[in-house]
Amino acid sequence: KAGVTQTPRYLIKTRGQQVTLSCSPISGHRSVSWYQQTPGQGLQFLFEYFSETQRNKGNFPGRFSGRQFSNSRSEMNVSTLELGDSALYLCASSFPGMGETQYFGPGTRLLVL
Amino acid sequence: GENVEQHPSTLSVQEGDSAVIKCTYSDSASNYFPWYKQELGKGPQLIIDIRSNVGEKKDQRIAVTLNKTAKHFSLHITETQPEDSAVYFCAASISLDSNYQLIWGAGTKLIIKP
Repeated sequence: KAGVTQTPRYLIKTRGQQVTLSCSPISGHRSVSWYQQTPGQGLQFLFEYFSETQRNKGNFPGRFSGRQFSNSRSEMNVSTLELGDSALYLCASSFPGMGETQYFGPGTRLLVL
Repeated sequence: GENVEQHPSTLSVQEGDSAVIKCTYSDSASNYFPWYKQELGKGPQLIIDIRSNVGEKKDQRIAVTLNKTAKHFSLHITETQPEDSAVYFCAASISLDSNYQLIWGAGTKLIIKP
């Protein structure tokens, strides 16, 4: 079974631009969570989507948004990029009934100049 | 709010020795505790997990222990090898209405010295 895939793997943007990142979960997984990881920092929870609905949300500004499609693929968008948004963005998927076990993708590394 | 404290932030051990990473959680209702390993340039990978109805779980050189009364759990790695060098994260589940969310520790950078 294929793992969680994220595209693109690397991205360079400039301040003020917006960016869209994509995540394809493991087949059959319906929950997708997004995290931001900055150098030397832990995993900061952004939001979780389940069955196309945002189920949980972390403490990030409204510039960070996401959505989930009927095939469980998810996208996250960051508008009006700031230098501090440079980070590794990770998505993780989980299977209903398996509770909280999450499987992570390789991440998208975003650099904002 | 709910939180998970993880110690130490950096751990350096000699190859072949044991390593122990400890986490403390605040929500007494937490019932699921996974550990993840993140190698450079990769996403975190689940290495072992434990549920609250079990006190200890082993998988070859890796073990996790859980003390529900004290609300702490630990990762034990025996006979450490160079490939164990990575950042390790612990997490604890919290219940939110009808679903769950993982609360993460800040991570431990494990360095295995040859």
